[in-house]
Amino acid sequence: AQTVTQSQPEMSVQEAETVTLSCTYDTSESDYYLFWYKQPPSRQMILVIRQEAYKQQNATENRFSVNFQKAAKSFSLKISDSQLGDAAMYFCAYNQGAQKLVFGQGTRLTINP
Amino acid sequence: KAGVTQTPRYLIKTRGQQVTLSCSPISGHRSVSWYQQTPGQGLQFLFEYFSETQRNKGNFPGRFSGRQFSNSRSEMNVSTLELGDSALYLCASSLVVPTYGYTFGSGTRLTVV
Repeated sequence: AQTVTQSQPEMSVQEAETVTLSCTYDTSESDYYLFWYKQPPSRQMILVIRQEAYKQQNATENRFSVNFQKAAKSFSLKISDSQLGDAAMYFCAYNQGAQKLVFGQGTRLTINP
Repeated sequence: KAGVTQTPRYLIKTRGQQVTLSCSPISGHRSVSWYQQTPGQGLQFLFEYFSETQRNKGNFPGRFSGRQFSNSRSEMNVSTLELGDSALYLCASSLVVPTYGYTFGSGTRLTVV
């Protein structure tokens, strides 16, 4: 079964600095999707960024970028110029096929002003 | 366009009762999946429906069931509620293939007393 591991339960960063959240996953598949979701106190899971495994180029969305290392099964999220609104739980998720997401345990990110 | 709508937002039930939660997906999304989120177990997949058919089911007891209607709206039902069923229940919708990711609703917070 596929598993997703986020080894950092909590992270903190100063406002305007850069932070990297780690994620590793285990799969024997070659074609899949990876996602980072953000869950603020409002509870709604918000898609931050996605990566298709067959694409070697790392995905980027404004201040958010990923470092996708397929061979190492690693998918880290870098947040540049951190803002107070970035404070939330961040979940890494794996999807193979069109049926379900497998989530990591999450990383709570705190932004210090 | 409207997002994923889950009703109700909050629910308090007594042990032994049953409950029905509702989810309306984004227009055009035919896949609807359900997740249970608890502090101890994290995010766990319940089931996924596509075109009124359950395509995948997580490892939950038979007390948890769901269905999808012809307009893609979905309901999940939990019978004979137990204290351990207290959780945030999240619904997500997507296209046939989650190329653009899954869009989540704000969830239903179920408390069993």
